[in-house]
Amino acid sequence: GAVVSQHPSRVICKSGTSVKIECRSLDFQATTMFWYRQFPKQSLMLMATSNEGSKATYEQGVEKDKFLINHASLTLSTLTVTSAHPEDSSFYICSAFTGQGTDTQYFGPGTRLTVL
Amino acid sequence: QQQVKQSPQSLIVQKGGISIINCAYENTAFDYFPWYQQFPGKGPALLIAIRPDVSEKKEGRFTISFNKSAKQFSLHIMDSQPGDSATYFCAASTNAGKSTFGDGTTLTVKP
Repeated sequence: GAVVSQHPSRVICKSGTSVKIECRSLDFQATTMFWYRQFPKQSLMLMATSNEGSKATYEQGVEKDKFLINHASLTLSTLTVTSAHPEDSSFYICSAFTGQGTDTQYFGPGTRLTVL
Repeated sequence: QQQVKQSPQSLIVQKGGISIINCAYENTAFDYFPWYQQFPGKGPALLIAIRPDVSEKKEGRFTISFNKSAKQFSLHIMDSQPGDSATYFCAASTNAGKSTFGDGTTLTVKP
């Protein structure tokens, strides 16, 4: 099956620093990648839709200048949390979507961000 | 406005029993309905999915029942096992891939 990786799996940083999270589709090309945020015991909240070679589309209420998304290739999307604060601590999950005759999204294993 | 409502929030089932989780949606444009299984600290994994032109789909112990007129679909886990203990999310999406998720159901299967 299709595999999506995320790096790092865990990151702890100081308040005010920026953190970059990578999402890679390992054995397929993803026309679209989605970034989600998940708080403990809650559902996945879609943050943005990332299409290769174009600007990301952010969901209402998500600050695009705080959560920078780059989709440089068909296998890599990055999420950068800029000037992180403790309230940004969360579980960030990406998914990759091929968009070729299938609606299946393949999820990465997630990145646990803790901002001190 | 929540577009996908999932129930129950939590479920406890004895080993060998049937686990049933229900979801209801509002947007008739949705045309793909997956169920995901998530273990603590891990990303969701696709379990089974259905399209609205089919009323039921079975894969092993997992079955989706779909009622298009009622805009409802459910997941049935037969012969539930302790290893099935996890959080289950239903979702609904259009062919653009963007999914709306239910709030999740925490399933505990007691030995």
